[in-house]
Amino acid sequence: QSALTQPRSVSGSPGQSVTISCTGTNNDVGGYNYVSWFQHLPGKAPKLMIYDVTKRPSGVPDRFSGSKSGNTASLTISGLQSEDEADYFCFSYAATYTWVFGGGTKLTVL
Amino acid sequence: EEQLVESGGGSVQPGGSLRLSCAASGFTFNNYAMTWVRQAPGKGPEWVSSISANGGSTYHADSVKGRFKVSRDNSKNTLFLQMNNLRGDDTATYYCAKISTRLVTPGGVFDNWGQGTLVSVSS
Repeated sequence: QSALTQPRSVSGSPGQSVTISCTGTNNDVGGYNYVSWFQHLPGKAPKLMIYDVTKRPSGVPDRFSGSKSGNTASLTISGLQSEDEADYFCFSYAATYTWVFGGGTKLTVL
Repeated sequence: EEQLVESGGGSVQPGGSLRLSCAASGFTFNNYAMTWVRQAPGKGPEWVSSISANGGSTYHADSVKGRFKVSRDNSKNTLFLQMNNLRGDDTATYYCAKISTRLVTPGGVFDNWGQGTLVSVSS
């Protein structure tokens, strides 16, 4: 069982927006602004999409955005495209030099 | 282009050992901390180990402490994970990732990842 809780799946039609939640505790998500999200396609290297809750690495489309409220972080993908279909994982710093991950959310673009 | 390529995975019996390698290219390896993350089949990822840029500081998850050891050879741009006394629950794909800072810090970002190498522990 992963330390951070994510929905197992979400779906949306092209052009729509979807939001993936990531719920932790005061000891991880709620305690630090060090939440990241990565996109993972089977057999490929995970790709960082969001870091420090809201920041986007160079090259990541601005359709991807992050936020946090209390112990829950969220990844929102607007203007869904077929290429966005993938697994998305959140992770957070969790004190004493440890990091915790979510179980992952499978995004299906209908 | 930054690239990380893991190798060394395979099948091993419980109690056995493996050494994973992660070859880095496209960036100044000795300027960045590095980390290992694993993902068991059907489960979420799990942080395993991290090491500072000069190798002087290392950190391991409780689940592997005393059995796994992270190290690096900056002259060869390579990160290692020595895994001893392997157990069935170590079965996973192991990924190496670059951290955006020289030291292992809370604010360090796991900003570039390899494709992973599969470790299977079974009798």
